[in-house]
Amino acid sequence: GENVEQHPSTLSVQEGDSAVIKCTYSDSASNYFPWYKQELGKGPQLIIDIRSNVGEKKDQRIAVTLNKTAKHFSLHITETQPEDSAVYFCAARGNTGFQKLVFGTGTRLLVSP
Amino acid sequence: DSGVTQTPKHLITATGQRVTLRCSPRSGDLSVYWYQQSLDQGLQFLIQYYNGEERAKGNILERFSAQQFPDLHSELNLSSLELGDSALYFCASSKTSLDEQFFGPGTRLTVL
Repeated sequence: GENVEQHPSTLSVQEGDSAVIKCTYSDSASNYFPWYKQELGKGPQLIIDIRSNVGEKKDQRIAVTLNKTAKHFSLHITETQPEDSAVYFCAARGNTGFQKLVFGTGTRLLVSP
Repeated sequence: DSGVTQTPKHLITATGQRVTLRCSPRSGDLSVYWYQQSLDQGLQFLIQYYNGEERAKGNILERFSAQQFPDLHSELNLSSLELGDSALYFCASSKTSLDEQFFGPGTRLTVL
């Protein structure tokens, strides 16, 4: 089955810096890759996703890139702000039948003022 | 607010007991998913229902069961509870299995 690895487990940056979180997946059939942000005491919130027919997707300060050949995808946050501090999860899923989302182990991002 | 609701928010119970967690999906969503998140753990998929039928199973223990009702709300039943069952339990919903999943706020279960 699918296996998703996520790095780093923790990331500390200064406000205004960029942050990059990387994930690799094992199943070449996976073609949907969402990213979730989880703040303390809350449920995961979908922040951006990408499907395998595109290589990059942007939404304001957030972007996701996908390299299907290498089977990895990354989340890029520019101009980080303290409110970006949270745990970020990547996930991967196939696109046939009832495929489950497989999550990475999470990255705790801390943005210091 | 994702539109997915979960009750109760917190639940404290004793070992050996049985509890029921409830989830109401977003309006129009037919698919409901249950996940377990233990301390410092990622999200572990438990089970998925689509329009009342079980569609996929993950790492769900035999002591756990779920169902989705005709009004599309779902319940997760946890029985013979053990200390290790203490965790956050999340429900998510999506229109179909291929659409984005939106998570509820979770139920924090503490087994003493």
